[in-house]
Amino acid sequence: DAKTTQPNSMESNEEEPVHLPCNHSTISGTDYIHWYRQLPSQGPEYVIHGLTSNVNNRMASLAIAEDRKSSTLILHRATLRDAAVYYCILRNAGTALIFGKGTTLSVSS
Amino acid sequence: GAVVSQHPSWVICKSGTSVKIECRSLDFQATTMFWYRQFPKQSLMLMATSNEGSKATYEQGVEKDKFLINHASLTLSTLTVTSAHPEDSSFYICSASPGTTTGELFFGEGSRLTVL
Repeated sequence: DAKTTQPNSMESNEEEPVHLPCNHSTISGTDYIHWYRQLPSQGPEYVIHGLTSNVNNRMASLAIAEDRKSSTLILHRATLRDAAVYYCILRNAGTALIFGKGTTLSVSS
Repeated sequence: GAVVSQHPSWVICKSGTSVKIECRSLDFQATTMFWYRQFPKQSLMLMATSNEGSKATYEQGVEKDKFLINHASLTLSTLTVTSAHPEDSSFYICSASPGTTTGELFFGEGSRLTVL
């Protein structure tokens, strides 16, 4: 499975934008880039996913590099409820999500 | 969005007993469901892929006779931890996808098992 590399932790202030980076230099042409987040004692929550083009939804934006070897999850205005572990995962058709260690995001008021 | 529900949310049992955890897709049909477990301060580890009407596919190192998976319908998969021991205490999470094979997966709330 193609792997991703994320910083262990990041800090942000409330109401500021947050850019969470992810490197995936061995991504294949059929891998989709998925982002999930997990709050303590809860199951993961889907955030966003994309293949080649940048994507926006109500939760976040996903910026994908032109060579697809890296991507950035953008939270436009962080809130305290955004404090979670964020996972960047590559998913091929029909396969399970394989979780790495993710990035622990802390948000301060 | 689609909803996946697990039951029970938490369970405490005695060593040597068996525990069944249910995973239901409430508003969609799921041909495939995935089971994970998560130990404290660690990431999710894939245990098995559950396919409706056929045998589950287990990841390397996961004992299929210990963790019985049944996917009898398109909306229900069950994980039974047989002869549970304290080292089986963990957070068990299921996930499913409503359709496209490259789309988002939805996760249950998780089931916390404590074996005394």
